Amino acid sequence: EPEVTQTPSHQVTQMGQEVILRCVPISNHLYFYWYRQILGQKVEFLVSFYNNEISEKSEIFDDQFSVERPDGSNFTLKIRSTKLEDSAMYFCASSEVRLAGRNEQFFGPGTRLTVL
Amino acid sequence: GEDVEQSLFLSVREGDSSVINCTYTDSSSTYLYWYKQEPGAGLQLLTYIFSNMDMKQDQRLTVLLNKKDKHLSLRIADTQTGDSAIYFCAESPDTGRRALTFGSGTRLQVQP
Repeated sequence: EPEVTQTPSHQVTQMGQEVILRCVPISNHLYFYWYRQILGQKVEFLVSFYNNEISEKSEIFDDQFSVERPDGSNFTLKIRSTKLEDSAMYFCASSEVRLAGRNEQFFGPGTRLTVL
Repeated sequence: GEDVEQSLFLSVREGDSSVINCTYTDSSSTYLYWYKQEPGAGLQLLTYIFSNMDMKQDQRLTVLLNKKDKHLSLRIADTQTGDSAIYFCAESPDTGRRALTFGSGTRLQVQP
């Protein structure tokens, strides 16, 4: 069964460093997403991406975040200058384009980001 | 903004039914979803229900939706130890937006 994959599974970085989290969405999906879950808190939406551009973003997704689809298979989240509060589990998800609002999103296993 | 709430913990005995509850505030919710998260794993989509339905059954899973009260429940029949996990409900608003709003998750513990 096709699945979303993410690398690395765990990333440790120093405050102020740039990190890139990588995702390979399900191959026939056209919508891609990033969510994050700070330890003990809810899963929060960051950004959605369709047709090579951001289609929606939350207040969390400020100028230090960016997303890219560098080739036909990868989808990346870059954090330019990491802060301690960026420590979280980051989930990538993808979905098909469906009519009538159905929006089943399939999630990857997550990347745990630890900022020291 | 939208808010989704769940109770934090549920403990049941193996073979019993589990009922996990969720309330939401956004009256424009069109689809509601249940996800399962096992330790160290991602979010696995279990099932969904469209807002014009009251009930959906999928093998051992039954989803009930009370749109008037904005209440969603997930019933797991014949609960097994492998069902121990965190269960998240999530809502998807009108067709113009795709961001899911998640509840805080209910940890289901199944006692053998």
